[in-house]
Amino acid sequence: DIVMTQSPDSLAVSLGERATINCKSSQSVLYSSNNKNYLAWYQQKPGQPPKLLIYWASTRESGVPDRFSGSGSGTDFTLTISSLQAEDVAVYYCQQYYSTLSITFGQGTRLEIK
Amino acid sequence: EVQLVESGGGLVQPGRSLRLSCAASGFTFDDYAMHWVRQAPGKGLEWVSGISWNSGSIGYADSVKGRFTISRDNAKNSLYLQMNSLRAEDTALYYCAKARGGYYSGYDLSFWGQGTLVTVSS
Repeated sequence: DIVMTQSPDSLAVSLGERATINCKSSQSVLYSSNNKNYLAWYQQKPGQPPKLLIYWASTRESGVPDRFSGSGSGTDFTLTISSLQAEDVAVYYCQQYYSTLSITFGQGTRLEIK
Repeated sequence: EVQLVESGGGLVQPGRSLRLSCAASGFTFDDYAMHWVRQAPGKGLEWVSGISWNSGSIGYADSVKGRFTISRDNAKNSLYLQMNSLRAEDTALYYCAKARGGYYSGYDLSFWGQGTLVTVSS
């Protein structure tokens, strides 16, 4: 299985400041034939199901605020929230969907307000 | 509006069976792969199983292989998970999720249901 490792495990950021979450895969999730990274980011607020934020590593899902952005390629990826809002408090997960055998998630990063 | 509504969870003794269902609406069900993802209390997300649009391709996590069976009925817009030989470590909230495309691999999970809770305990 492809192992996804996020850092940090938890993060406290002041309102209006930038939040950065990293995700590293144990092998490349870049598919050379279409040059796409098979990597998604999800947000999960307490008591709610996960919500897709970003797919193909950098494509924002419809309706997701543009303060959320994804970057990276191969094995190293980043989710950035450019200006933290109170409603962004949540746990964030990265996920690879490159493998034909299984989907795997990172362990999650808890984001709080400082 | 896309909706996924899971049902069938509950309290079950170790070694027994349970069948989860997911009723889909608001989209053309047989165009999309579907998945089950679980979350143990206070823990992260764990993919359980996925099935392609036509049931031609199916995958399972190693932790459930041989015990769980995923299936779908496109005529009823429904997804199922038959869970046998349940263990305490299967205790979790089970989510049904819609993939972006028709194959169970190669797509993100674009929409999730609210989940159904399975508790395995004597």
